[in-house]
Amino acid sequence: AQTVTQSQPEMSVQEAETVTLSCTYDTSESNYYLFWYKQPPSRQMILVIRQEAYKQQNATENRFSVNFQKAAKSFSLKISDSQLGDTAMYFCAFMGDSNYQLIWGAGTKLIIKP
Amino acid sequence: DTGVSQDPRHKITKRGQNVTFRCDPISEHNRLYWYRQTLGQGPEFLTYFQNEAQLEKSRLLSDRFSAERPKGSFSTLEIQRTEQGDSAMYLCASSAGGNQPQHFGDGTRLSIL
Repeated sequence: AQTVTQSQPEMSVQEAETVTLSCTYDTSESNYYLFWYKQPPSRQMILVIRQEAYKQQNATENRFSVNFQKAAKSFSLKISDSQLGDTAMYFCAFMGDSNYQLIWGAGTKLIIKP
Repeated sequence: DTGVSQDPRHKITKRGQNVTFRCDPISEHNRLYWYRQTLGQGPEFLTYFQNEAQLEKSRLLSDRFSAERPKGSFSTLEIQRTEQGDSAMYLCASSAGGNQPQHFGDGTRLSIL
């Protein structure tokens, strides 16, 4: 069975700093997809970034980028120039190619301080 | 793009009552998913539909839970004889295909008194 582990329950950084959130996963599938979602307080789950496992190039979306290490089964999220609006729970999620349900980590609470 | 819509946003009910939630997916999306999220945890998969067909159900989905998606449009999730442990946020998501990103609604928060 697939598992997703986020080892940092909470992190806080100053505005404009760079922060990296960690995620590791376990799977025996050869093709899969990895996601980072953001859930602001009392707000909906929002897709931040998506990585396809067969693509070696790390995905980027503006200030958000990932470090995908397939052999190590690691998928970290880097947020550059952090902003107050980045304050949220961040969830790492896995989706296998054999079924398309998302398997989620427990989340990291990120606080951006002014 | 109207996004995924869920109704109601909040539901408070007494233990033993039945409740029903509704989800309207993004109109061109053929896949619809239900998840449950308890406080401080990541979501847990419950079930998903491709068009009107319910293709998979989690073992979390006891026989008190039933989901439908008539005509492949909106979906309903019903919980019969609610229990304290059913208190959670119920999230609905939709996608344009199996490996496409899932887009979420605001969720329905269920509180059992």
